[in-house]
Amino acid sequence: AQKITQTQPGMFVQEKEAVTLDCTYDTSDQSYGLFWYKQPSSGEMIFLIYQGSYDEQNATEGRYSLNFQKARKSANLVISASQLGDSAMYFCAMSSRGGADGLTFGKGTHLIIQP
Amino acid sequence: NAGVMQNPRHLVRRRGQEARLRCSPMKGHSHVYWYRQLPEEGLKFMVYLQKENIIDESGMPKERFSAEFPKEGPSILRIQQVVRGDSAAYFCASSPLAVVSGNTIYFGEGSWLTVV
Repeated sequence: AQKITQTQPGMFVQEKEAVTLDCTYDTSDQSYGLFWYKQPSSGEMIFLIYQGSYDEQNATEGRYSLNFQKARKSANLVISASQLGDSAMYFCAMSSRGGADGLTFGKGTHLIIQP
Repeated sequence: NAGVMQNPRHLVRRRGQEARLRCSPMKGHSHVYWYRQLPEEGLKFMVYLQKENIIDESGMPKERFSAEFPKEGPSILRIQQVVRGDSAAYFCASSPLAVVSGNTIYFGEGSWLTVV
């Protein structure tokens, strides 16, 4: 069974600072994918970034990057130059070939950007 | 190309009534997933369907909940005799592949069920 752990229930960060949101995972599969989603107060799930387990380079999408450390089973999200609009819940999730149930989600981190 | 469409966006039901949530996957997607999000929680898998088949319903409560994905029309998540604990956001996602790989899973905007 897969498991995602997000150890930071909430974070306060000053605007323009970089933010790292932690995510560790557990799986016995060799092939898997890691995702980060943003959920603003309006409720929709917004895809941010994806990392495949065989990808050698860390994924980047604009201000988002995924710090993938396979041996440590961690997939931290880094947001550079945070903005007020980054305030939201952030969920880490994984997929694996061993499971047909789509994605397994962590409990999320509530990020608040302060001016 | 429309995204995953869910309706209703918000639904209020009295205890004991039935709730029906609908999901139209993206065009060309034959794999549908339903997730439930309780307050202050992440999304929890409920059921995975392909056209006319339930593939995995290991996350569905044993009673009162059912799901279908008919040959024609949207996928339906049905909750009979709702109780207050059913109040949650219900998300549908669709994918063109059986196994999620890369950015191939797309979420709807969710349906918020409130049981009063």
